[in-house]
Amino acid sequence: AQSVTQLGSHVSVSEGALVLLRCNYSSSVPPYLFWYVQYPNQGLQLLLKYTSAATLVKGINGFEAEFKKSETSFHLTKPSAHMSDAAEYFCAVSDSGGSNYKLTFGKGTLLTVNP
Amino acid sequence: GAGVSQSPRYKVTKRGQDVTLRCDPISSHATLYWYQQALGQGPEFLTYFNYEAQPDKSGLPSDRFSAERPEGSISTLTIQRTEQRDSAMYRCASSPLAGGPVGTQYFGPGTRLTVL
Repeated sequence: AQSVTQLGSHVSVSEGALVLLRCNYSSSVPPYLFWYVQYPNQGLQLLLKYTSAATLVKGINGFEAEFKKSETSFHLTKPSAHMSDAAEYFCAVSDSGGSNYKLTFGKGTLLTVNP
Repeated sequence: GAGVSQSPRYKVTKRGQDVTLRCDPISSHATLYWYQQALGQGPEFLTYFNYEAQPDKSGLPSDRFSAERPEGSISTLTIQRTEQRDSAMYRCASSPLAGGPVGTQYFGPGTRLTVL
């Protein structure tokens, strides 16, 4: 079985500060890993995904994440926060085997950006 | 269509009533997923379709829940004899590929179900 743990249900940063959202996963097979963002009253939008190519993955809006197998982590970072980054962020894992790529999500981290 | 759409966006029902939620995926997307998201939680997998086939129903919480995709496009999720614990956001996602390699899942806005 797969699982995802997101450390910190709420993260608050100042505009221009580093954003770091933590995600650790558990998987018995090589995982595919994803970060999704949810803005109010909208659907989940993919930020980036890791599918066993480069371990440092760049996504939209200046976000990136690094897959670290030894630490079973896939933390999301952005060098400089913008007010528009305020949203809820979900880390998810998918099984790389078989044909069902259902996602197992973490509980989410709400990011607040202060002016 | 341009994106995944879901209807209704909000549904309030009384305990014991049946409800049907609809998902209209991105045109030609082979795979369609249903997730349930309780308040304060991440989405949880319910079931998925490859075209009209439904290979995995393992996430459906009980036999009161069923889903269909008879023509391989629009899908419905039906909850019979609703209970208060069924209150949640129900999310639909579609993906262009059936099977591997992994395709991005595109999510709709969700249906917020409240059971009184």
